[in-house]
Formats: sequence, structure tokens, C-alpha cells
Amino acid sequence: QQQVKQSPQSLIVQKGGISIINCAYENTAFDYFPWYQQFPGKGPALLIAIRPDVSEKKEGRFTISFNKSAKQFSLHIMDSQPGDSATYFCAASMFSGSEKLVFGKGMKLTVNP
Amino acid sequence: DTGVSQDPRHKITKRGQNVTFRCDPISEHNRLYWYRQTLGQGPEFLTYFQNEAQLEKSRLLSDRFSAERPKGSFSTLEIQRTEQGDSAMYLCASSRGQSEGYTFGSGTRLTVV
Repeated sequence: QQQVKQSPQSLIVQKGGISIINCAYENTAFDYFPWYQQFPGKGPALLIAIRPDVSEKKEGRFTISFNKSAKQFSLHIMDSQPGDSATYFCAASMFSGSEKLVFGKGMKLTVNP
Repeated sequence: DTGVSQDPRHKITKRGQNVTFRCDPISEHNRLYWYRQTLGQGPEFLTYFQNEAQLEKSRLLSDRFSAERPKGSFSTLEIQRTEQGDSAMYLCASSRGQSEGYTFGSGTRLTVV
């Protein structure tokens, strides 16, 4: 049973374009939703995170949109750059409960110059 | 380097051998996590320590796996009688608390031949 489903599995965009990655979760007890970026040979690095008391959070070129009723959240990367080419993972956990993160399967982003 | 350090970076072992990995977290982080990541998948939770106490273990962590964090600083993950299915990247992460997110190490890649 996959508790966090991520789509698409891969995405190719042109430099300057917008990259959008979607995630859906099943467990309504989840209340912390981070996004991680992973380069080959490296561990994941936290990009941005959101809690369900807000519907949107922006940090630089990265924005999380959150829809609690649909149990969905998404990452938007504005003005995508070749350096953004990486694998992106959404995750979820119970902020005040178990601290384990449940990850999606990841999306490989390629930004062409 | 003040990041999470994992050793070794790569390990090739024969099926049936025991292996041990080490993780040195960021010094002021009291929480330490182990995850396993296979190709094309997101990290899967294995276990979690707060200081020296092991607070949660995944059902993925069979009796061949054991983790310790003896003095609340570094941690070791041991796999006994390795199997080919144990081949994966083993990731360690640390944090001060969930609101600050995890910092992952670069992982130990295990290949069982």
C-alpha cells in the first residue's frame, strides 16, 4: 500500500519553464508535507515544507500548493534552470506523532538549456 | 564539514556475510534516522533514535538488522547474513526536531554479490 503517490514519474522542461510535480496522500493523520531534492550520489536535501494550516508556501522559485480536502499537494518550480535537474520526492508524516517520513517514488526532472 | 557523515560510501559483500555501517550526525541534533533506498524508489523508513533511545522500528527491519546509538552520538547499522535483496543505498539523517526537517548524509551503497 503506497501512502504517498507522486506523479509524473519524469518530466522534461525547457530552461525558464515551470515544473509541476503532484502528490496525493491517503492517511488523513498526515500533517507535515516536505519536498526533497536528490542529486545522483547524494542524499535527499530538504527544499520546502508545508503544514495543512496554510494552502500555499513560497520560498524563492519553489512554491508548495496544498489542498486538504483533495488530499493533494504540489511543488511548482518557477523559471526552471538546468541546475534544477534532479529527482524530487514528496513526503508526509504526522508532525505530532511518529516522526518517520513516508516518501513518494520520486520524479526525475530534466531541464534542457 | 558539519553535515551528516556516513562510512563507508560503498560496500561490496558476499551473500551471507555481516556488514556494519556508521553514521555521524550533526553534533547538535538529538534525532537520528536510518532509511533504505532502492533504485527508482523513495527512501523507506527503517528506524529512529532520540538520543540513545530507539523509539521506532519498521517492519522492514527484520531480525537480521540491528541499529545502535550507544551514547546518543554516532549510530551503527548492522546487517547479519546479508542477502541479495539487501542491496540498496542506506541513508542516515539527523534533525533537531521535525519542524526543522532532516539533514541526510550521502549514504552507504551496499551491493551483495
